Amino acid sequence: ETGVTQSPTHLIKTRGQQVTLRCSSQSGHNTVSWYQQALGQGPQFIFQYYREEENGRGNFPPRFSGLQFPNYSSELNVNALELDDSALYLCASSLQTREQYFGPGTRLTVT
Amino acid sequence: AQSVTQPDIHITVSEGASLELRCNYSYGATPYLFWYVQSPGQGLQLLLKYFSGDTLVQGIKGFEAEFKRSQSSFNLRKPSVHWSDAAEYFCAVVSDGQNFVFGPGTRLSVLP
Repeated sequence: ETGVTQSPTHLIKTRGQQVTLRCSSQSGHNTVSWYQQALGQGPQFIFQYYREEENGRGNFPPRFSGLQFPNYSSELNVNALELDDSALYLCASSLQTREQYFGPGTRLTVT
Repeated sequence: AQSVTQPDIHITVSEGASLELRCNYSYGATPYLFWYVQSPGQGLQLLLKYFSGDTLVQGIKGFEAEFKRSQSSFNLRKPSVHWSDAAEYFCAVVSDGQNFVFGPGTRLSVLP
């Protein structure tokens, strides 16, 4: 059984640029959630996708958007990057909302 | 809105000593409760979960947690800490139709 994978591991972007992060969910899981974890803080919920539809959103602006594909993999897109977007971005997959399994994260640095 | 507090930002224990990490939540009904562990630069690993039933739940790596409805708490315990337990620990809560809310975390340091 393959766990949750994320790519890339690290990336560095410049303020104002756009970035796409990718996540492959665990086999059999139909729900993907994205979190932002700033340094020294707990993960903050960005949004969740269930069967290719957004199924809940946290307190993040519209420049944070996402997609889920038929194979349940997912993308997180962030436009007009700001310095405060620097964080570890975590993807988690689950069957519905319970018992989420997390990937290793993507470390985004915005300069 | 749901919220999770972890009163201890940082705890230091000696190897072999017992451990208790505190977690309190704010929610009207009984939520689903979780403890996750995060090693530096890594993702989160599920330690244990509570959905219903027996209020004392066993997890991986020798951890256990007890749900106390009257105190809105879900404290994590381990009878004997190992050096490899040094990490960040997060308590999380979710209810049906809602999404995970994480606490701010407790950093555990282990002295040899």
